Amino acid sequence: DAGITQSPRHKVTETGTPVTLRCHQTENHRYMYWYRQDPGHGLRLIHYSYGVKDTDKGEVSDGYSVSRSKTEDFLLTLESATSSQTSVYFCAIARETSGNTIYFGEGSWLTVV
Amino acid sequence: KQEVTQIPAALSVPEGENLVLNCSFTDSAIYNLQWFRQDPGKGLTSLLLIQSSQREQTSGRLNASLDKSSGRSTLYIAASQPGDSATYLCAVRPGVDTGNQFYFGTGTSLTVIP
Repeated sequence: DAGITQSPRHKVTETGTPVTLRCHQTENHRYMYWYRQDPGHGLRLIHYSYGVKDTDKGEVSDGYSVSRSKTEDFLLTLESATSSQTSVYFCAIARETSGNTIYFGEGSWLTVV
Repeated sequence: KQEVTQIPAALSVPEGENLVLNCSFTDSAIYNLQWFRQDPGKGLTSLLLIQSSQREQTSGRLNASLDKSSGRSTLYIAASQPGDSATYLCAVRPGVDTGNQFYFGTGTSLTVIP
């Protein structure tokens, strides 16, 4: 257990509305990640962060933005949700003290109708 | 870009059998490789991490090996149990500076039949 909590865990929203998912960690890890998981595509990186205010894009970043104003929180925002963003979103951290082992949160199930 | 492949996509075995899951990657210059387990509707649970300098890691009935030169890792599960039924994924961190990114395979869905 790496002390990662995601909220909300489940959400249904309408097309065109903004949505923010929150990832909170309790261990002060530098690296945090947002992935989405879809059938046939596996886990794909959306954005990641390597410190407060330090973020970078992953392979599927279009339509998503992130912010990290505190070490413990990494926010993922869908500016204007689309049906193609219906997915399961996972937050992860890398524990550098154990060889960069990755630990995941429990996931946030998002449905855009 | 590192490509990670897991074959087969699904595997069904009788209880008690020893089995091997495969993970292949295209670029042998990796920093580490990690195996995960994912139960339906759940997040990923870390099983084993192998650093690039290591050949294998063991945890209980699980043994993961790494052969960088051939671009392969295997996860060996001894004496399989129905509770081992899950999807198993591997993730590779490239050796070059990629911001500590990881690339995932699409997983092998394992069913252990009682």
